[in-house]
Amino acid sequence: KAGVTQTPRYLIKTRGQQVTLSCSPISGHRSVSWYQQTPGQGLQFLFEYFSETQRNKGNFPGRFSGRQFSNSRSEMNVSTLELGDSALYLCASSPTNGATNIQYFGAGTRLSVL
Amino acid sequence: QKEVEQDPGPLSVPEGAIVSLNCTYSNSAFQYFMWYRQYSRKGPELLMYTYSSGNKEDGRFTAQVDKSSKYISLFIRDSQPSDSATYLCALAASGANSKLTFGKGITLSVRP
Repeated sequence: KAGVTQTPRYLIKTRGQQVTLSCSPISGHRSVSWYQQTPGQGLQFLFEYFSETQRNKGNFPGRFSGRQFSNSRSEMNVSTLELGDSALYLCASSPTNGATNIQYFGAGTRLSVL
Repeated sequence: QKEVEQDPGPLSVPEGAIVSLNCTYSNSAFQYFMWYRQYSRKGPELLMYTYSSGNKEDGRFTAQVDKSSKYISLFIRDSQPSDSATYLCALAASGANSKLTFGKGITLSVRP
């Protein structure tokens, strides 16, 4: 079974631009969560989607948004990029049944904002 | 007070040593306790998953949860250079849509 796939792996943007990151979950997983990882703050929860609906949201400004499609693939968007948005963005998917708290992570998208 | 505190490290041990990694937490609602391992330039990989209190063993790895003390541990026996990575504890409350709250992670280096 293929794992969680995130694209692109690396991105370089400048301040003020916007960016869209993509995540394909493990086949059969309908829950997708997004996290931001920085050396200073560690892994911080952004939001979680299930069946195209946002079920949970972290404490990030409205510039961070996401969506999920009917095939469970998810995208997150960051508008008006700031230098502090430079981070590794991780996507994780969870099974629908059983241990739904277990999350399986992709390799991440490393975003650099110049 | 942060919800989850993890020893900051880094930690360097000789090959074959027993490693103890720890996290403390403040939220009594946490019921699920996980340890992830993250190699450089990779995403976190689930190592151990425990529900409620007790011990769980998987090969050289043992996870312990003490809910009364709000303290969780991961022990690595006979550590190998391939164990060199960042280890993150992750906790979740009950409920299918509960988010994971992570410790900041500790970087372990096992010297040959």
